[in-house]
This record gives sequence, C-alpha cells and structure tokens, in this order.
Amino acid sequence: GQNIDQPTEMTATEGAIVQINCTYQTSGFNGLFWYQQHAGEAPTFLSYNVLDGLEEKGRFSSFLSRSKGYSYLLLKELQMKDSASYLCAVRFINDYKLSFGAGTTVTVRA
Amino acid sequence: NAGVTQTPKFRILKIGQSMTLQCTQDMNHNYMYWYRQDPGMGLKLIYYSVGAGITDKGEVPNGYNVSRSTTEDFPLRLELAAPSQTSVYFCASSDTDRGEEKLFFGSGTQLSVL
Repeated sequence: GQNIDQPTEMTATEGAIVQINCTYQTSGFNGLFWYQQHAGEAPTFLSYNVLDGLEEKGRFSSFLSRSKGYSYLLLKELQMKDSASYLCAVRFINDYKLSFGAGTTVTVRA
Repeated sequence: NAGVTQTPKFRILKIGQSMTLQCTQDMNHNYMYWYRQDPGMGLKLIYYSVGAGITDKGEVPNGYNVSRSTTEDFPLRLELAAPSQTSVYFCASSDTDRGEEKLFFGSGTQLSVL
C-alpha cells in the first residue's frame, strides 16, 4: 500500500461538525479523493482535490496540503444520514489506480 | 442508466469450489477494476483492465483470474476458493486515466468461503 492513514472511528452529535483527517506519502502525489460508503453499500464519490486549499460542496468541504501530505474532510450540520464510512483515496503519478485508506466510520447520535 | 452491475449479491462457497463474479457497465468506460474490502483494511485492488483484451494484476491477485473480452464486461474468476477469500468484492469503472477521474462502483458481492 501507499501508507494512507485515517482514524478508525469518530462519533459526533446531530447538528455538530466533524473533521476527518487523512495523511499520505507525498512522493508522486497526483490527486486525492473522498468517498462515502453507507453500511452494506458501494462507495460513492464526494470530492476531489489536487491543488492546495479548500473545496466546498454544501455541507461537505475537503482540504488539501500537498507539502504536508495532509487532507481533511469537514462535515457540517451533521445529520443522521451522514452516519457512514468515509474513505480517503490517493492517485499517484504514472499509476491511475486509486490507493485507499482503511476508512473512518462516523456515527452521528441524536 | 444502470451504471455498474454486479452479480450475485451474496454467495457461500465451500473450500475448493470455483465461481465467477459478474460485472458489467453500460457507460462505455474503458477502465475497469476489481477490489476486495475486508473489515478495517480498506479497498485492495485485485485486477484491473484498461480496455478490451488488456488486463493486469493489482495488489492482491493471487487466487483470482479475470478476462475482458468486451468493453462492458469484466468477470472475476475464483478457481479454488479458500477461506482467505471471504470478503466483499466491488467492481468499478472509470472513463479515462486522467487524474481527476472518479470511480463508479457496483453494489458489491459478499462472498463467504466455508
């Protein structure tokens, strides 16, 4: 693997904010994806970052720092339906295949 | 538009049996992939294909085979099932190999080898 690290589990309250961090090796980096996966379902695309900075899409935002090999996914105004696993995936130069982290299971409580 | 379709959704095999997991996509994507997902381990690439007639090994190819006779279909074959192959299998496709190209996943096959 490509040593993509993210926390195993996070718990938050409905309406709150949660930040999921992801770190990866910087050599050959060519883009980072976040996918959402509900239990028993397929992963679905959330966001893509290749340049430094914040990409905002409604309640979800994704940040990237290429020099630090670091990204986070920010989930705002949490809803019960946001309970899912969030997968960080990295594409490296000359290797169009995605390498996935183990995923972070987010549990939203009322 | 069906996207990526996988069959079956569930299967139980005995050790040593063989089976084929079917995957088809109707988006005319050139790139197709097979991943397995084990608890706490993330998605691991088994095999991939960049077009009809072309396949290559991923991270964990042992015990599996694939073929890609058409753009649409990318079946995964298990010849001698082993307990270590108990997993959830996902087929995926993408349009190009450009950096920003996202994957479209099938709904998965849960396989148990007993």
